[in-house]
Amino acid sequence: KAGVTQTPRYLIKTRGQQVTLSCSPISGHRSVSWYQQTPGQGLQFLFEYFSETQRNKGNFPGRFSGRQFSNSRSEMNVSTLELGDSALYLCASSSFRDWTDTQYFGPGTRLTVL
Amino acid sequence: DQQVKQNSPSLSVQEGRISILNCDYTNSMFDYFLWYKKYPAEGPTFLISISSIKDKNEDGRFTVFLNKSAKHLSLHIVPSQPGDSAVYFCAARLSGANSKLTFGKGITLSVRP
Repeated sequence: KAGVTQTPRYLIKTRGQQVTLSCSPISGHRSVSWYQQTPGQGLQFLFEYFSETQRNKGNFPGRFSGRQFSNSRSEMNVSTLELGDSALYLCASSSFRDWTDTQYFGPGTRLTVL
Repeated sequence: DQQVKQNSPSLSVQEGRISILNCDYTNSMFDYFLWYKKYPAEGPTFLISISSIKDKNEDGRFTVFLNKSAKHLSLHIVPSQPGDSAVYFCAARLSGANSKLTFGKGITLSVRP
């Protein structure tokens, strides 16, 4: 079974621009979560989508948004980029048949904001 | 407010010896705990988990211990191998219908040949 895929793997943007990152979950998985990893803060939860609905949201400003499509693929968007948005953005999927189901992570998208 | 804490940023052990990675949490409502391993340029890989109703879970060389009264868990790797060198994240979640994981900041484990 193919794992979680994220595109693009690397991205360079300038302040003020916007960016869209994509995540394709493992086939059959309906839950997709997004995390931001920075050296100082570790992994921080952004939001989770399940069956096209945002089910949970972390403490990030409204510039960070996401959506999920009917095939469970998900995108996250960051508008008006700031230098501090430079980070590794990770997507994780799970089947969520049971709330203890394991989350499987993709390789991440490395975003650099100049 | 860091609800999951990994206070030691790094650990170095000799190949063949035991590695003990510690994690503390502050939220007593956490119901499920996980350990992930992360190599550079890759996403975290699930290692092992434990429910709050247990105090130990073992999977091959990896054992996780949970002490609920102390709000402490630890990951034991025996014997340690050079391929275990990576960043290890402790994570916790609440029970119920959402997948949010609260992570610690990670411990860098180096296993010396």
